[in-house]
Amino acid sequence: GENVEQHPSTLSVQEGDSAVIKCTYSDSASNYFPWYKQELGKRPQLIIDIRSNVGEKKDQRIAVTLNKTAKHFSLHITETQPEDSAVYFCAASAQGQNFVFGPGTRLSVLP
Amino acid sequence: EAGVAQSPRYKIIEKRQSVAFWCNPISGHATLYWYQQILGQGPKLLIQFQNNGVVDDSQLPKDRFSAERLKGVDSTLKIQPAKLEDSAVYLCASSLSGIRDFGPGTRLLVL
Repeated sequence: GENVEQHPSTLSVQEGDSAVIKCTYSDSASNYFPWYKQELGKRPQLIIDIRSNVGEKKDQRIAVTLNKTAKHFSLHITETQPEDSAVYFCAASAQGQNFVFGPGTRLSVLP
Repeated sequence: EAGVAQSPRYKIIEKRQSVAFWCNPISGHATLYWYQQILGQGPKLLIQFQNNGVVDDSQLPKDRFSAERLKGVDSTLKIQPAKLEDSAVYLCASSLSGIRDFGPGTRLLVL
């Protein structure tokens, strides 16, 4: 089955700097890669996703890149703000299959 | 549009007791999921329903966990008897086109 690894487990950045979180997956059939943000005590919320027919997708300060050959994808947050502080989860799934989530990255943006 | 509703939000029980969680998905979402999120980990799928049929329950500990979605709308997840390791947040999610919308979760503490 699919296995998703995520690094780093914790990340601290200064406000205004960029943050990068990386995930690797094992199943080459996976073709959908969402990223969820979970603030303390709240529900996970989808912030961006990418499908395997695209190499990069951007939405304002957030971008995701995908390298299908290497089976890894990354979340990039630019100009970080304190409200970006949360736990971020990547996930991978093949068509019609379930999401397998990574273990999460706790991002702290220091003012 | 109302989001996924869950109740209760918190529950404290003693081991060997039983507990039930309720979920009301977003209107029109045929697919419903129950996830278990242990502290510090990503959500793990317990069971997936399509309308009122089970699609995937391969990771549901069937000796103690059960779930139903009788009319293809609301769902209940039951644990009987509970163990200490069941302490977690139980997230319900629903989807229309594959993207999961999560509920606020039920935080369970088993003493």
